[in-house]
Amino acid sequence: QSALTQPASVSGSPGQSITISCTGTSSDVGGYNHVSWYQQHPGKAPKLMIYEVSNRPSGVSNRFSGSKSGNTASLTISGLQAEDEADYYCSSYARSSPPWVFGGGTKLTVL
Amino acid sequence: EVQLVESGGGLVQPGGSLRLSCATSGFTFSSHWMHWARQAPGKGLEWVANIKQDGSEKYYVDSVKGRFTISRDNAKKSLYLQMNSLRGEDTAVYYCVRDGGWCFENWGQGTLVTVSS
Repeated sequence: QSALTQPASVSGSPGQSITISCTGTSSDVGGYNHVSWYQQHPGKAPKLMIYEVSNRPSGVSNRFSGSKSGNTASLTISGLQAEDEADYYCSSYARSSPPWVFGGGTKLTVL
Repeated sequence: EVQLVESGGGLVQPGGSLRLSCATSGFTFSSHWMHWARQAPGKGLEWVANIKQDGSEKYYVDSVKGRFTISRDNAKKSLYLQMNSLRGEDTAVYYCVRDGGWCFENWGQGTLVTVSS
């Protein structure tokens, strides 16, 4: 069982917006702003999409945004495109062992 | 361009050992924490271990403590993971990851470790 809880799957039509949640505790998501999100296409390595809750690395589309409220972080993808279909993972620094935890992953399907 | 290239994976019997290597380029290796993460077939990501810039601090997920050792050679710009007493549940793709300051900024392509008799 993963330390952070994500929905197993979400779906949306092209052009729509979707939000993926990532729920932890006050010892990880709620206690730090060190929450990040990763996109992984089948057979590929993960790619950093959001860091420090809401920051986008250079080159990542501004259709991707992040936020946090209490112990739950969220990734929102607006203007869905077919290329967004992938698995998405959240991660957080944690006060306990292990110091880094991931969510179980969410499969995004673009209908 | 940041490049991380893992090697050393393969098929090993339960109880056996493997040493993974990660050759890096395109950044100042000695300035970054480095991590190993893994992904079992069809499963999610799991953080495995990390190491401070000078190697003075190392942390591990509980399931590998006492069996795996992370190390680095800053002169060779390389990261290593010595894996002993391997178990079936260690079967996974192992990724070398550059720390970006509280995030996993760059990932290698991964190397597959299969533990099976």
